[in-house]
Amino acid sequence: QQQVKQSPQSLIVQKGGISIINCAYENTAFDYFPWYQQFPGKGPALLIAIRPDVSEKKEGRFTISFNKSAKQFSLHIMDSQPGDSATYFCAVPSYNTDKLIFGTGTRLQVFP
Amino acid sequence: ETGVTQTPRHLVMGMTNKKSLKCEQHLGHNAMYWYKQSAKKPLELMFVYNFKEQTENNSVPSRFSPECPNSSHLFLHLHTLQPEDSALYLCASSQDLGAGQGSVTQYFGPGTRLTVL
Repeated sequence: QQQVKQSPQSLIVQKGGISIINCAYENTAFDYFPWYQQFPGKGPALLIAIRPDVSEKKEGRFTISFNKSAKQFSLHIMDSQPGDSATYFCAVPSYNTDKLIFGTGTRLQVFP
Repeated sequence: ETGVTQTPRHLVMGMTNKKSLKCEQHLGHNAMYWYKQSAKKPLELMFVYNFKEQTENNSVPSRFSPECPNSSHLFLHLHTLQPEDSALYLCASSQDLGAGQGSVTQYFGPGTRLTVL
């Protein structure tokens, strides 16, 4: 079973700080790496995703960085806000089952 | 109504009860999924359907029985559950299964919070 290793498991950041979450994968069917954000009591929602033709994608305060040779990608949240407090999941297209494989999740808490 | 909807949002049941969870997607997708999410555990994929056909069952106990009558609806029938089955049950859909970000991107419903007494 393909695994996606996500770290850290939990993260506490002060308001205005940078939150960094990392994911590593073994194999992937194609280069597409989405991040999902989940608030308590809600389902995960697609936050941002990176496509194969770029090594970095930025949307507002959220940036994905992708290192293909290392098989790693990360989510950076700049100027972190209390409203960013949620659980974040990375995902990777499965190499042999044609669906997304999710990381174990990172619980982010941003304190004022 | 758009997106993926799930009913009920909350369910409390005894171990001898029979209940069903319902999921409906309004996105025109062909693939649907059931996940179990327990506290402090990763998302556990339970079942996958593509074009109404079950393509994956991740060793889920038989007390969970999925049903997919059409590409827009997915049910999870529950019977003789155990307290450890208490969790958030999430439904998701994607365009279909296959190569391409458009195919695999999953859209989740809000979940059903299940408590088994």
